[in-house]
This record gives sequence, structure tokens and C-alpha cells, in this order.
Amino acid sequence: DTEVTQTPKHLVMGMTNKKSLKCEQHMGHRAMYWYKQKAKKPPELMFVYSYEKLSINESVPSRFSPECPNSSLLNLHLHALQPEDSALYLCASSHAGSGGTYNEQFFGPGTRLTVL
Amino acid sequence: AQSVTQPDIHITVSEGASLELRCNYSYGATPYLFWYVQSPGQGLQLLLKYFSGDTLVQGIKGFEAEFKRSQSSFNLRKPSVHWSDAAEYFCAVAGTGNQFYFGTGTSLTVIP
Repeated sequence: DTEVTQTPKHLVMGMTNKKSLKCEQHMGHRAMYWYKQKAKKPPELMFVYSYEKLSINESVPSRFSPECPNSSLLNLHLHALQPEDSALYLCASSHAGSGGTYNEQFFGPGTRLTVL
Repeated sequence: AQSVTQPDIHITVSEGASLELRCNYSYGATPYLFWYVQSPGQGLQLLLKYFSGDTLVQGIKGFEAEFKRSQSSFNLRKPSVHWSDAAEYFCAVAGTGNQFYFGTGTSLTVIP
């Protein structure tokens, strides 16, 4: 199984709502990533988890709260978002690099988020 | 600091014609380079990667890329483009912590 799944595919939420995005992989990867992507732009890294611990937070506003409950799952909790947060949110996973090794990231199809 | 430049924002080619998408990187050590493709509204799919060894790498869907250290380039090529190749193409270099640095992307249009 070389697939990263994301749910939901689409999400519309108001600025006062609380919602969560979910990501799952069963490739045995121990690194998982959240990206935000605006139209016609490259993905922007938000968070990296390595061995279920947050290793990189790219100065993301606190209204985005990541969680990695186990090695297969990654969540992104959303609260009090702004309309400018509307974007495609991509999850990715990879083997956790060490000692200068790097590994390809496998991407999910994304969640299209619209904030009203 | 690592960075990737894709000089061409948009390219249009005729179906059956050859294709070359340019990618230039900035990285102090041996780079780990990737090409991804993204169809509208979809996630990114890995086309090919370069870690070491043979500088000409083959990927999926008939794509290949050549690593040229002297030119800091990793250009993507395909000898004959199909209409289904129309998509956004991203070049990336891996950095510390397996953090990827993406180029700004090249949008490919294929005309019949």
C-alpha cells in the first residue's frame, strides 16, 4: 500500500467553527508533513512530525493545531480560521531521514478547505 | 540556504512534441532532487528522483531528467508529450530534516 489518504476531500467552514483534517498512511513511514497550497503556488510546509514528535513548525498561527496520535495518523485541528486560510491542505509521509539521508515524500490528494 | 528556481512559469507544447522543463538548484552539498507532477485539484505525484550515481534518471510516464552539477540543473524531459501530461510540475530539493524546498512550478499546456 503506497497511498496516503486524506479526509474529507472538501470542507466548508465558518470562522467560528472547529473542524479537523485527517491523514493516514500504512507504508511504515515515521515522518509526516502538513502543507498548505494556494492556487498556482508550490506547497508551503506547515508542520513536520518525526517519530510522532513535532520536529518543525514553520511559524504557523495557533489556529492550526497538529496532532500525531500514532505512526499512521496525522490530524490538523482547525479553529477560528480566516478566509485567507482557504487553500488545498496536503499531507505527505516519508521514511524519517537520518545522518544526512533524504527520502521522497508521498502526498495525499489533499483537502480543499473553504473558510466563509 | 537551499533553493530551487524554475524559470518558466508556463509552457505550451503541441501533442507529440518534445518537452524540457528547467530546474536550477542552490545547495551546498550533494543535492537530493525530485520532480513532482500535480493535476488540477490533486496531490503531488513523484515522477523521478536523483540521489547519486548515474546523472540521467528515468521516471514514470516516460519522463527522464539529467543532473548537471556544473550547471546546478536538473531538467526534466520527455521525447513526446501526450495531452494527459498537461499539469503543474514542481522541482524540489531535500534539505535538513528531509524538509523539501519546492520551485514555483511550471504549468504545462498541451495543444492538439
